[in-house]
Amino acid sequence: GAGVSQSPRYKVAKRGQDVALRCDPISGHVSLFWYQQALGQGPEFLTYFQNEAQLDKSGLPSDRFFAERPEGSVSTLKIQRTQQEDSAVYLCASSSGLTRAGANVLTFGAGSRLTVL
Amino acid sequence: QKEVEQDPGPLSVPEGAIVSLNCTYSNSAFQYFMWYRQYSRKGPELLMYTYSSGNKEDGRFTAQVDKSSKYISLFIRDSQPSDSATYLCAISSGSARQLTFGSGTQLTVLP
Repeated sequence: GAGVSQSPRYKVAKRGQDVALRCDPISGHVSLFWYQQALGQGPEFLTYFQNEAQLDKSGLPSDRFFAERPEGSVSTLKIQRTQQEDSAVYLCASSSGLTRAGANVLTFGAGSRLTVL
Repeated sequence: QKEVEQDPGPLSVPEGAIVSLNCTYSNSAFQYFMWYRQYSRKGPELLMYTYSSGNKEDGRFTAQVDKSSKYISLFIRDSQPSDSATYLCAISSGSARQLTFGSGTQLTVLP
């Protein structure tokens, strides 16, 4: 597609429920990232995929958070037993790889806003 | 101490003003410096990136990097109401693929 697509745009969950957030990256982009953005803060890194391989999950805040990208395209971020502190915007970004200068330029989706009651 | 510090503002200026947005960072391994703009309820969009000390200009926007001081700036000339958004600095090292973001500066340009 033309951009990074995320769904649902808005999700309200009761504490303890499981949620799944979907990301459809730009076609052909091998790298995919998940970020968490709390209100009034910058995005915080969660995890990174290159194709289907999850190369870095150091930012996942607990074992309740799980991400997958089984076929190297669409990715799902799953949060089990949601807590109020999980309320945030979850941003997905994709990249075609490093530029010639070595920079990694990310294109972001609009995000999924999760509210846990 | 956070790796990237950014003055959160909010910053309010009249239309036509020159805006200066700034970040400092602590890790000298950072090599790539980016500025993203984020409108309300949207994802961040890339404005500019650079990887060397000095200035880089793109239209009304100028990115400035001072690696010796670990200080980066974004200048907006002739600011417009459509520039009203949150501006995020983002930095990465050569080895890490992920970006480290500042907390963002909320800018309002008043007509």
